[in-house]
Amino acid sequence: AQKVTQAQTEISVVEKEDVTLDCVYETRDTTYYLFWYKQPPSGELVFLIRRNSFDEQNEISGRYSWNFQKSTSSFNFTITASQVVDSAVYFCALSEADSSGSARQLTFGSGTQLTVLP
Amino acid sequence: KAGVTQTPRYLIKTRGQQVTLSCSPISGHRSVSWYQQTPGQGLQFLFEYFSETQRNKGNFPGRFSGRQFSNSRSEMNVSTLELGDSALYLCASSLETLANTGELFFGEGSRLTVL
Repeated sequence: AQKVTQAQTEISVVEKEDVTLDCVYETRDTTYYLFWYKQPPSGELVFLIRRNSFDEQNEISGRYSWNFQKSTSSFNFTITASQVVDSAVYFCALSEADSSGSARQLTFGSGTQLTVLP
Repeated sequence: KAGVTQTPRYLIKTRGQQVTLSCSPISGHRSVSWYQQTPGQGLQFLFEYFSETQRNKGNFPGRFSGRQFSNSRSEMNVSTLELGDSALYLCASSLETLANTGELFFGEGSRLTVL
């Protein structure tokens, strides 16, 4: 069975600090997909990134960067120079692939509440 | 373009009643998924519909059901409500199944309180 662990329940930083959100996953599949979503107070989940299991290249998007390491089953998310607007709950998620390579439903971690203080 | 619309946003029911929640996906999206979010269990997958067919189902009792219409709008129904069904129910749509985009567009959810 697949599982996603986000050990950090809450993180509080001061604006402009860098912060890394940890995500560790478990799966028996060799083909799977990893995601990060952001949930602001409004409730809707906002897609941030998707990575395939066969693509370990790290990615940077503005102040966001993701470090995918299959050797440690981790997919960590770093926000550089955090801002108050980054305050939200961040979810890491995993989806295994079916026989056709299609992603199945998402298994979410428990989320990390990030608070960025001014 | 309009996002995913869920109605109602808030509702209160009593134990034993039934409830129907509605979701209108983004125009052109044919896949709709439903998730339940609670403080204790977090986000859990309920089911996914694609072209009016249920493609995947999570580990929820038969009291939870859903359907999708020809215009891709979806409804989920919970019968014989229990206190533990109090949750935020999130609907998400995608252009096709998760395979091709991996990007789900979520609505703001329907917050159900069962008294």
